[in-house]
Amino acid sequence: DQQVKQNSPSLSVQEGRISILNCDYTNSMFDYFLWYKKYPAEGPTFLISISSIKDKNEDGRFTVFLNKSAKHLSLHIVPSQPGDSAVYFCAASWETSYDKVIFGPGTSLSVIP
Amino acid sequence: NAGVTQTPKFQVLKTGQSMTLQCAQDMNHNSMYWYRQDPGMGLRLIYYSASEGTTDKGEVPNGYNVSRLNKREFSLRLESAAPSQTSVYFCASSFGLAVVTDTQYFGPGTRLTVL
Repeated sequence: DQQVKQNSPSLSVQEGRISILNCDYTNSMFDYFLWYKKYPAEGPTFLISISSIKDKNEDGRFTVFLNKSAKHLSLHIVPSQPGDSAVYFCAASWETSYDKVIFGPGTSLSVIP
Repeated sequence: NAGVTQTPKFQVLKTGQSMTLQCAQDMNHNSMYWYRQDPGMGLRLIYYSASEGTTDKGEVPNGYNVSRLNKREFSLRLESAAPSQTSVYFCASSFGLAVVTDTQYFGPGTRLTVL
């Protein structure tokens, strides 16, 4: 049973609009959450993270929101650009240690010019 | 500054063959990791090395062995490959294990097919 779920395998958005990528988790022990971005034929790269003591974290065009009661987080990209087209992985950790990180299956984002 | 490099990029094996996937990092990181990624699933940790001289099992270690050859290099060995090991393998490194303070960097991956 997947502990980190990304129920939308793919998403298409027009350039300039907002992209919203969703992630749900089942384990209430998770206390740190990360988003990674992956281009084809490359490894994932770290994008943004959030601690469970916060409900929002921003970094430029990227904002992550955390709703602990719903066990849900989302990544907002505003405005979306064609270069944002990639697979986005949500990941969750307990004990804030990399050997305790669980990855979701990813959502493929296409930003249409 | 190459970051994390992996060899080979692609490999096809027959069932029962053995091979070693190589990984090296030039960022003076202490911690290194091997993951596999299968369709419809997230990355799963196979083995990791918190520091030179140590290795530990991750979520899916069966069928694999690892060697932390030195601080730079961390290899993954399949002794007797099985079709279930067909996957994309990623190596990663970080200064330490702490998610909050240590960014993890990934290599480009090795696509392995076992027939």
